[in-house]
Amino acid sequence: GESVGLHLPTLSVQEGDNSIINCAYSNSASDYFIWYKQESGKGPQFIIDIRSNMDKRQGQRVTVLLNKTVKHLSLQIAATQPGDSAVYFCAENIKREYGNKLVFGAGTILRVKS
Amino acid sequence: ETGVTQSPTHLIKTRGQQVTLRCSSQSGHNTVSWYQQALGQGPQFIFQYYREEENGRGNFPPRFSGLQFPNYSSELNVNALELDDSALYLCASSLEWGTGPPNYGYTFGSGTRLTVV
Repeated sequence: GESVGLHLPTLSVQEGDNSIINCAYSNSASDYFIWYKQESGKGPQFIIDIRSNMDKRQGQRVTVLLNKTVKHLSLQIAATQPGDSAVYFCAENIKREYGNKLVFGAGTILRVKS
Repeated sequence: ETGVTQSPTHLIKTRGQQVTLRCSSQSGHNTVSWYQQALGQGPQFIFQYYREEENGRGNFPPRFSGLQFPNYSSELNVNALELDDSALYLCASSLEWGTGPPNYGYTFGSGTRLTVV
């Protein structure tokens, strides 16, 4: 079935270090991938996205890498800050006959230690 | 530019009751999707509305239904509430043209926390 999974349920990093969150997806036809950050009591907040015709995309302090050969997605956060503490989800956009839908993973908790 | 707003923010209902949740889409967006997020899990796709019609549904029973209005806002209705319906209900708006991924992605609201007792 469709699934987007994560390798590590919880990641603890020291403030200032780099963080890497990994994700595996299962649908080869997915055309678009998104990383979301979700803080307690809030909805998912867009971090960065990447289309399936790209391997890498950089934003401010964040980089997403896409390896279609092994169906793997990663989010790199540079110089992690306490404000980065949250649950991070990868999501896979699946194109249906009409419209799109997102398939989310279970999430990775990122804890930043000061 | 306004984001996605959802109401109410919190709701407590009794098993067997009916509930209506509301969502106003982001300005310029024409599509609304609804997701259910159980505690400790990722959001699960319920359905999507485009041009005031249901445009695909996830693995949810018919007692989950919805509407989209001409101004692109949307409602999610759940009948005969069950305890397992307790969750955060998220609305996401997007701009879709029927082909390819949505332009500029999805914008999520903060959700409605539904508790069924």
